Amino acid sequence: GESVGLHLPTLSVQEGDNSIINCAYSNSASDYFIWYKQESGKGPQFIIDIRSNMDKRQGQRVTVLLNKTVKHLSLQIAATQPGDSAVYFCAESYNTDKLIFGTGTRLQVFP
Amino acid sequence: GAGVSQSPSNKVTEKGKDVELRCDPISGHTALYWYRQSLGQGLEFLIYFQGNSAPDKSGLPSDRFSAERTGGSVSTLTIQRTQQEDSAVYLCASSLVSGGAIYEQFFGPGTRLTVL
Repeated sequence: GESVGLHLPTLSVQEGDNSIINCAYSNSASDYFIWYKQESGKGPQFIIDIRSNMDKRQGQRVTVLLNKTVKHLSLQIAATQPGDSAVYFCAESYNTDKLIFGTGTRLQVFP
Repeated sequence: GAGVSQSPSNKVTEKGKDVELRCDPISGHTALYWYRQSLGQGLEFLIYFQGNSAPDKSGLPSDRFSAERTGGSVSTLTIQRTQQEDSAVYLCASSLVSGGAIYEQFFGPGTRLTVL
């Protein structure tokens, strides 16, 4: 099966600061991208998505940036709060095919 | 509205026994996925059902693993002759595929499988 790695990278930020979580995707033809948040003991929860015809999309306190030239996706969280602590996954899809998840990043928010 | 549901929420079994895990997707969602997640790790893709197409089984780790989706709705993941390394949380997700576009996956709460 497809494995997404043993050790999750960790990003530590202070409460109130902005967080930027990065993701490198694999398929240059991918046309749909999603960010998920997974809290301990729960299933992943949808945060925001973006299609390849856009390079930026904003939600509430979150912004996703897509750079197709370098196959890079980022999630920006404004004014990070303790409740934002979780593991964040990006996922990509091509032409309605299955979503492929990247290696997650653990976000730790400290006071 | 109802989300994706999975049963059982927890399953403890003995090595060598067979187990069946059930997933009820969101009504109307044509795509259904199974993933496996070991403690502290990412999501390992297992199998993908989309409409009436043949399932994508490329993620199944061995022939002990199989899955069915009956009537385009409920899915069952079966693990035969369970091994201790099968212990993990098994997550199911469903999504809408419409108009040539895919939409976000909604995940169930998962089934925590422990093989003794």
